Amino acid sequence: QQKVQQSPESLIVPEGGMASLNCTSSDRNVDYFWWYRQHSGKSPKMLMSIFSNGEKEEGRFTVHLNKASLHTSLHIRDSQPSDSALYLCAASCMGYKLTFGTGTSLLVDP
Amino acid sequence: GPKVLQIPSHQIIDMGQMVTLNCDPVSNHLYFYWYKQILGQQMEFLVNFYNGKVMEKSKLFKDQFSVERPDGSYFTLKIQPTALEDSAVYFCASSLGRDTEVFFGKGTRLTVV
Repeated sequence: QQKVQQSPESLIVPEGGMASLNCTSSDRNVDYFWWYRQHSGKSPKMLMSIFSNGEKEEGRFTVHLNKASLHTSLHIRDSQPSDSALYLCAASCMGYKLTFGTGTSLLVDP
Repeated sequence: GPKVLQIPSHQIIDMGQMVTLNCDPVSNHLYFYWYKQILGQQMEFLVNFYNGKVMEKSKLFKDQFSVERPDGSYFTLKIQPTALEDSAVYFCASSLGRDTEVFFGKGTRLTVV
């Protein structure tokens, strides 16, 4: 069964700092990675997705993917207190379902 | 943006009783999902549904669970009978196609007592 591992489990960064989150899949058939953000008591909302090697940037958020190692990372620059949330990485294979990791809890310290 | 609506937001039910969780997916979406989340942590896949049929279910989708979407109405998750370990937040989700963004509802918090 596919596993998605996320690290670190929790992270504290100062306001204005850079947050870096990691995610690796154990399934070589994975073809898409997704990053979701979930504020406490709310539904997960998609931040970014990536399926090809390299980097993708949207505003303060950058995602990297290394398909050979099935590793993706999310980097948040100029972190804001409103970025404090649970960040969920998910992987999909042929698009049938998302398999989520255990999440990284990010706290941005004002 | 597109919204997935879930009803009710909270449900408290006695162990052994039946419960039905309702979901109104995004109107033109074709794929539907249920996920279970305990204590605000890992989001675990339960089942997906397309063209009137279950495509895949996880080992968490016990025999007491069933899903349906009769005539394009609500997409429902029924648990009969409920057990204490079914207490969790259940999220419904939908997507237009495969490898497209999956939109989640706000969840139904189910408490089995």
